[in-house]
Amino acid sequence: EVQLLESGGGLVQTGGSLRLSCAASGFNFDRYAMSWVRQAPGKGLEWVSAISGSGGTTYYADAVKGRCTISRDNSQNTLYLQMNSLRADDTAVYYCAKDKWELLPKSIDYWGQGTLVTVSS
Amino acid sequence: QSALTQPASVSGSPGQSITISCTGTSSDVGSYNLVSWYQQHPDKAPKLMIYEVTKRPSGVSNRFSGSKSGNTASLTISGLQAEDEAHYYCCSHVNKSSLVFGGGTKLTVL
Repeated sequence: EVQLLESGGGLVQTGGSLRLSCAASGFNFDRYAMSWVRQAPGKGLEWVSAISGSGGTTYYADAVKGRCTISRDNSQNTLYLQMNSLRADDTAVYYCAKDKWELLPKSIDYWGQGTLVTVSS
Repeated sequence: QSALTQPASVSGSPGQSITISCTGTSSDVGSYNLVSWYQQHPDKAPKLMIYEVTKRPSGVSNRFSGSKSGNTASLTISGLQAEDEAHYYCCSHVNKSSLVFGGGTKLTVL
């Protein structure tokens, strides 16, 4: 059974940093691309970033490019998202998501339960 | 990358069929058979209902079906049931580099 468990969310001040983690189990972690997707309170889903199975290629939405860094540790089956220079509009539930493909973000098939990030002054 | 366009809401009575549209561009929906649909109940994580335009994951009811024509994909739910009431989001691969979601559609079962 695929399981994705996010952690690291919380309250942070505007301009601050936060590192999210996602512990994966139930599948061959290094064979699949992984994504972070966020959902602001009462709003829709927004893709944030993705990383290939090997970790060699990363992808970012324009809204976070230059402020966020996605990475993975395949030896620990863990996905990360380092977020810097946080703004109020980064406030959202952040979901870790597994893709059906290895190299590119093409089709998410499993989601974690999400971790809430609140950015406030 | 602009969000895909979905109707904000749709409704139907139990037993009826409804269709939710998802309109993109030639850079996303129109270029790839990589459209997925997700169901999200309040305060829950999204759940995959349809992938690669028409495919249904194991365990998803055959009342859910997907299609695509040009830049518009569609999700059809037949034999509406009370538990189908939820938000539905479409998602497409974009230009070999990203994903884009629709704004979401709230389905109300009357």
